[in-house]
Amino acid sequence: QSALTQPASVSASLGQSITISCTGTSSDVGTYNLVSWYQQHPGKAPKVMIYEVNRRPSGVSNRFSGSKSGNTASLTISGLQAEDEADYHCCSYATNFWVFGGGTKVTVL
Amino acid sequence: EVQLVESGGRLVKPGGSLRLSCAASGFPFISYSINWVRQAPGKGLEWVSSISSSSSYIYYAYSVRGRFTISRDNAKNSVYLQMDSLRVEDTAVYYCAREVGNFDYWGQGTLVTVSS
Repeated sequence: QSALTQPASVSASLGQSITISCTGTSSDVGTYNLVSWYQQHPGKAPKVMIYEVNRRPSGVSNRFSGSKSGNTASLTISGLQAEDEADYHCCSYATNFWVFGGGTKVTVL
Repeated sequence: EVQLVESGGRLVKPGGSLRLSCAASGFPFISYSINWVRQAPGKGLEWVSSISSSSSYIYYAYSVRGRFTISRDNAKNSVYLQMDSLRVEDTAVYYCAREVGNFDYWGQGTLVTVSS
């Protein structure tokens, strides 16, 4: 049950695009398409932004997109806006348990 | 409106016990698995435990196995987390979350602090 690997922080200017990576193993990200991404603002509960690798829940901006290649999943945020500044956590199913990444702090410059 | 409300968090000494509750409303509770996820101060999210709709399938993270027990009462639309032999490293905000292949709804969390 090792945590998925995410960069600790990513920063970019308003309007730019960023991509956050999430590296797991062949036992989690590499096998299952149950990869999801959560946005969390300070003091708030997480909110799902992407599920099943690349699906967006109703109400989530189409500036958020997800993908996966091998054991690595990615979250891309295009047209970065001030309200996107938050922590982002990836998550994968892994046979009878779930594993999260360490979280990535996104800073909008 | 789907709602999940956690309660029961407080300050407890190492070795102590605590029972958290998660009260659900706004959806057919009996049809969903519920999970507990925790977040230590300044850290990432950590999955803790899951329980299926009929309690047939129960799973735990290695870090809490043998110390924590998850249960549910479908008549009361509630899930519980009994935490025994608490350690300092169990200090965290504990969230309950509805599972649908991802965690689509979360509670606001309840803070558990383990300290002497």
